[in-house]
Amino acid sequence: AQSVTQLGSHVSVSEGALVLLRCNYSSSVPPYLFWYVQYPNQGLQLLLKYTSAATLVKGINGFEAEFKKSETSFHLTKPSAHMSDAAEYFCAVSATSGTYKYIFGTGTRLKVLA
Amino acid sequence: AAGVIQSPRHLIKEKRETATLKCYPIPRHDTVYWYQQGPGQDPQFLISFYEKMQSDKGSIPDRFSAQQFSDYHSELNMSSLELGDSALYFCASARGALTDTQYFGPGTRLTVL
Repeated sequence: AQSVTQLGSHVSVSEGALVLLRCNYSSSVPPYLFWYVQYPNQGLQLLLKYTSAATLVKGINGFEAEFKKSETSFHLTKPSAHMSDAAEYFCAVSATSGTYKYIFGTGTRLKVLA
Repeated sequence: AAGVIQSPRHLIKEKRETATLKCYPIPRHDTVYWYQQGPGQDPQFLISFYEKMQSDKGSIPDRFSAQQFSDYHSELNMSSLELGDSALYFCASARGALTDTQYFGPGTRLTVL
């Protein structure tokens, strides 16, 4: 079985500051891991994904995440926050065998302060 | 590039009514997933189809049913609607049953009054 824990339902950063959104996972099999962003009243947009290739994954809009098996983590980072980054961010895990349904974390709302 | 299409985008129903949500996957995608996102909550998996057969089932109420048609579009039928069914319903499509990435549609926002 898979599960995801996102630490911090709300995160505030100043514009230009480092963004760090935390995600820890639990999986009985090697996982696939994803970060999605959701802007108000919109759908889910894929930021990046880990599928057992490189452990450091680069995504869109300057985001990246590092898969750390020893820490069962997949934290999302961005060196410099922009006002347009304000949104809800979801970490998701899926199995790598059987069915591929996503299990989502509870989300982290990122607020960017001017 | 073509994306996942969901219709309608917004739907308002009364309690005990029925609703049908439609999902048109990306061309050549044969797998469809349905998720429900309640207000302020994370998306929850409902059901999935691969090649017109149900491939997995999550926390989908018995009042809901779904199917995938020969053209791979999918419909989620919801009967005896309850206030708690108000949510954003996402459809996602993928190519093949063993692929890692799902592509999400914009969602259908269902409001039950």
